[in-house]
Amino acid sequence: NAGVTQTPKFRVLKTGQSMTLLCAQDMNHEYMYWYRQDPGMGLRLIHYSVGEGTTAKGEVPDGYNVSRLKKQNFLLGLESAAPSQTSVYFCASRTGGDGQPQHFGDGTRLSIL
Amino acid sequence: KNEVEQSPQNLTAQEGEFITINCSYSVGISALHWLQQHPGGGIVSLFMLSSGKKKHGRLIATINIQEKHSSLHITASHPRDSAVYICAVRPGGSNYKLTFGKGTLLTVNP
Repeated sequence: NAGVTQTPKFRVLKTGQSMTLLCAQDMNHEYMYWYRQDPGMGLRLIHYSVGEGTTAKGEVPDGYNVSRLKKQNFLLGLESAAPSQTSVYFCASRTGGDGQPQHFGDGTRLSIL
Repeated sequence: KNEVEQSPQNLTAQEGEFITINCSYSVGISALHWLQQHPGGGIVSLFMLSSGKKKHGRLIATINIQEKHSSLHITASHPRDSAVYICAVRPGGSNYKLTFGKGTLLTVNP
């Protein structure tokens, strides 16, 4: 049982390049989240999804797009990477219902030069 | 001002000491979470609280809803407890989202 798997674990991009981060969960969770973690700041929510085919904006959605075509996968896209998007990205998922914890992936460290 | 404030930001202790990390929040909440993040590693959920107190091994979490305050205690601390401890709250009325504190870096020396 893998839990939440993020791909890739590390990536270096040049400004203006595009890429997609993949999050896959095998727990049949309804809710999925993408966060970014920057030094000196708490985790900030980029986008989230409450079910297959649905997405919604979080606190810091600009410059990112997401898709949830299948329940188990949540993709985060950077269309034109900028140095300000250098960060560690975490995906999380949780089942529906009150009081359920989020399960996190191991993170993707992304550097934009 | 952050909705979730943790103190201290950094904490160094000697093995065996009793540790307390504090979390204060400014909004009405339906739940509070404590999470642990090891260096270079992922994030795991330790506790979820809506009232009272929970214990798991050497870890104890308490919450006072009226005072909008929670504490995480570690008894008989060990170097393997060295990690960042993160407090997060689920604002009342939100079933989906958490608001996170900046974390407390704990270092336990042997």
